[in-house]
Amino acid sequence: DQQVKQNSPSLSVQEGRISILNCDYTNSMFDYFLWYKKYPAEGPTFLISISSIKDKNEDGRFTVFLNKSAKHLSLHIVPSQPGDSAVYFCAATLSGSARQLTFGSGTQLTVLP
Amino acid sequence: EAGVAQSPRYKIIEKRQSVAFWCNPISGHATLYWYQQILGQGPKLLIQFQNNGVVDDSQLPKDRFSAERLKGVDSTLKIQPAKLEDSAVYLCASSFSVSGTDTQYFGPGTRLTVL
Repeated sequence: DQQVKQNSPSLSVQEGRISILNCDYTNSMFDYFLWYKKYPAEGPTFLISISSIKDKNEDGRFTVFLNKSAKHLSLHIVPSQPGDSAVYFCAATLSGSARQLTFGSGTQLTVLP
Repeated sequence: EAGVAQSPRYKIIEKRQSVAFWCNPISGHATLYWYQQILGQGPKLLIQFQNNGVVDDSQLPKDRFSAERLKGVDSTLKIQPAKLEDSAVYLCASSFSVSGTDTQYFGPGTRLTVL
C-alpha cells in the first residue's frame, strides 16, 4: 500500500523555466511533508518542508504547496537550473510516529541547457 | 561538520552469503535510521534507533536482517543469509532527535548486489 505516490517518474524542463513536481498521499493523518533531492551515488539531501497547518512554504527558488483537501503537494522550482537535475523524493510523516518518513518513488528531473 | 559516513560503498556477494554494513552518524545525533532503497522505489525504513535502543523495527525482516547500535553511536546492519531480492542501496540517516521536525541527514549509501 503506497501511502505516498509520485506518478511521474521523469520530467524534462528547459533551463530558466518552471519545474513542477507533484506528489499525492492517502493517509490524512500525515502532518508534515518534505522534499529531498538525490544526485547519483549520493544520499538524499533535505530540500524543503511544510507543515500541514500551512499551504505554502518558500525558500529561494523552491516553493512547496500543500492542498490538504486534495491530499496533494507540489514542488515548484523557478527558475530551473541544470544543477537542479536530480531525483526528487516526496516524503511524509506524522506526529507520534517518531517522525518516520514515508517516501514516494521519486521523479527524475532533467533541466536542459 | 562531517556528514553521515557509510562503508563499504559497494558490495557484491552471492546468495546465501552474509554481509555487514557500517554507519557512523553525525556527531551528537541521537537518532539513527537504516533504509533500504530498491531500484525505482523510494527509501523504506528498516529500523530506527534512539541512542542505543530500538524505536521501531517493524519492517525489518528479522529472520535474516539484524542491526545494532552499540554505545549509541556507530551502527551495523547485517544480512544473513542474503537473497536475490536484497539487492538494493542501504542508506543510513541520522537526526538530532525524534522530536519536532528535526531533519534527517543521509549517508551516501551502500549498494549491495546479490548474485
